[in-house]
Amino acid sequence: GAVVSQHPSWVICKSGTSVKIECRSLDFQATTMFWYRQFPKQSLMLMATSNEGSKATYEQGVEKDKFLINHASLTLSTLTVTSAHPEDSSFYICSAEGPGGYNEQFFGPGTRLTVL
Amino acid sequence: GIQVEQSPPDLILQEGANSTLRCNFSDSVNNLQWFHQNPWGQLINLFYIPSGTKQNGRLSATTVATERYSLLYISSSQTTDSGVYFCAVERSNAGKSTFGDGTTLTVKP
Repeated sequence: GAVVSQHPSWVICKSGTSVKIECRSLDFQATTMFWYRQFPKQSLMLMATSNEGSKATYEQGVEKDKFLINHASLTLSTLTVTSAHPEDSSFYICSAEGPGGYNEQFFGPGTRLTVL
Repeated sequence: GIQVEQSPPDLILQEGANSTLRCNFSDSVNNLQWFHQNPWGQLINLFYIPSGTKQNGRLSATTVATERYSLLYISSSQTTDSGVYFCAVERSNAGKSTFGDGTTLTVKP
């Protein structure tokens, strides 16, 4: 149980375009999901907390107009990178709090974004 | 914010050897998890261990919350154990986790 999926697994886009990444909890409901960013050989950095039915909470230094988050249902959160630029190229990973109320996080497989 | 330090940063082992990875944190935490990130980037849950000791096969973990550290033990290491091991802690019940910089483990045949 507690499986999280992400789509797409990888995406290549041109500078200036927008890219949407989906994060789904497959076998449980998640009122809260998290979006992380990971650069090569580095750790995960929390970008934002996605709450079902309300606005996302962004970490300091993360541009909310650049990284749009929508948590429209209890099983789906989306991250849209707007007007992407090469510096937005990174590995984006989502997580969700699993069932049981213990705040244990389960991670999706990640999305590798390359902006040309 | 809370600081999470993992050691060693890199570890190279011969297959069959044992190892201990350490995670120190600077403040009290509600939750602590250990993850293994495989070469494809997937984070695999190893342990949810805010305190105490747990074992799962060749892996075990101990968290001493009062002394603000956690240890991950890997016994009889295999080449498939290679990858990056992360410790992540959560201070409040908001679910936000802070990750350490990880330990990169390489197990040679």
